[in-house]
Amino acid sequence: EADIYQTPRYLVIGTGKKITLECSQTMGHDKMYWYQQDPGMELHLIHYSYGVNSTEKGDLSSESTVSRIRTEHFPLTLESARPSHTSQYLCASSEFSRDATNEKLFFGSGTQLSVL
Amino acid sequence: SQELEQSPQSLIVQEGKNLTINCTSSKTLYGLYWYKQKYGEGLIFLMMLQKGGEEKSHEKITAKLDEKKQQSSLHITASQPSHAGIYLCGAGPYSGGGADGLTFGKGTHLIIQP
Repeated sequence: EADIYQTPRYLVIGTGKKITLECSQTMGHDKMYWYQQDPGMELHLIHYSYGVNSTEKGDLSSESTVSRIRTEHFPLTLESARPSHTSQYLCASSEFSRDATNEKLFFGSGTQLSVL
Repeated sequence: SQELEQSPQSLIVQEGKNLTINCTSSKTLYGLYWYKQKYGEGLIFLMMLQKGGEEKSHEKITAKLDEKKQQSSLHITASQPSHAGIYLCGAGPYSGGGADGLTFGKGTHLIIQP
């Protein structure tokens, strides 16, 4: 069982609002990720972090921002939500090893965001 | 960049029947992951394959990575309603998967008919 939690589970919000999607893990993992997934489409990496004070942009350009002040916490923020931001957002974590050629990701249950 | 093609896109199978899902990579795979996703939820790790010819099983699910390490198959024996969901294959960054993390295929939607 993965100990990684996302809140809220569902969020319906109006255009222009500022929102923060929460992600926490209790496994002590250094690496954390945010993926975006539209219905029926593949997951796209939008942000990741190697550890505290590290944030990197992923393959897919995103208007969201992230922060990593604590190891266990990796929130994602949208300053001004728009209908184009409607999607599912998935948070994941993994043990980070610079020598590792592979890494197993543990995923949260996701946040379904709808912007009206 | 890494591309993963999954087939079929969707599959409807009668309960009790066997089925196979395929994942083909545009590049050599140095790690191939299989995940299952229930609709609107997160991904659950199933198996990871690293070596050419490797085969792993968990309950009624078996996954293989071919010798050339460019294709993997996931086989379910005697399917049950609990097997329904979306199956995704993923490749790590050392397979040319992008900035970091895993790159995923679009998934195979599996429906089990009673």
